[in-house]
Amino acid sequence: DAGVIQSPRHEVTEMGQEVTLRCKPISGHDYLFWYRQTMMRGLELLIYFNNNVPIDDSGMPEDRFSAKMPNASFSTLKIQPSEPRDSAVYFCASSILTGDEQYFGPGTRLTVT
Amino acid sequence: AQSVTQLGSHVSVSEGALVLLRCNYSSSVPPYLFWYVQYPNQGLQLLLKYTSAATLVKGINGFEAEFKKSETSFHLTKPSAHMSDAAEYFCAVSDPGGTSYGKLTFGQGTILTVHP
Repeated sequence: DAGVIQSPRHEVTEMGQEVTLRCKPISGHDYLFWYRQTMMRGLELLIYFNNNVPIDDSGMPEDRFSAKMPNASFSTLKIQPSEPRDSAVYFCASSILTGDEQYFGPGTRLTVT
Repeated sequence: AQSVTQLGSHVSVSEGALVLLRCNYSSSVPPYLFWYVQYPNQGLQLLLKYTSAATLVKGINGFEAEFKKSETSFHLTKPSAHMSDAAEYFCAVSDPGGTSYGKLTFGQGTILTVHP
């Protein structure tokens, strides 16, 4: 298996623009997680899905952030409008079982100028 | 609620020396525990995990960790550091079936530096 796939790997955009990050989990994994990593705040869980259904979105910072999982093999995290403080590395991860090990993608480094 | 504390945000060792990275957790139920490693500009990679079997867990790259319930600890060790071990290490806890159903809670990370 190719592992968790994320695109793009790098994104540079201007403040106010819409940003869409994409993730393809490992086939057969029922759980999908979106994280944000910054120097100041470390690794933060934004939202996670089970069988394509959002289970906990309490980590989503504000209404500018939204996530969808239209099918078992694809998820998006959208930021609209983007702000400089959204600059971070965004990771997607997937797992087979609840509470078990998560497999991380390579991340998307987002820079908002 | 579950939580993880990693003691020491930076640890520096000499090549060939013992590596000891500390992790303490709190959980309302018997936890699953994990150590992940992150190399620069990469995602997190699982080193090892404890899921209520043997308390001494062996992982990749010569690392191991011991679950000590009485101390609520899950420290990571390696007998002899190698330059390639330089990275950031994260301890994580989950309580399967608990109130944090499905989630891992990560520590703040420990950056390991290995000197020649």
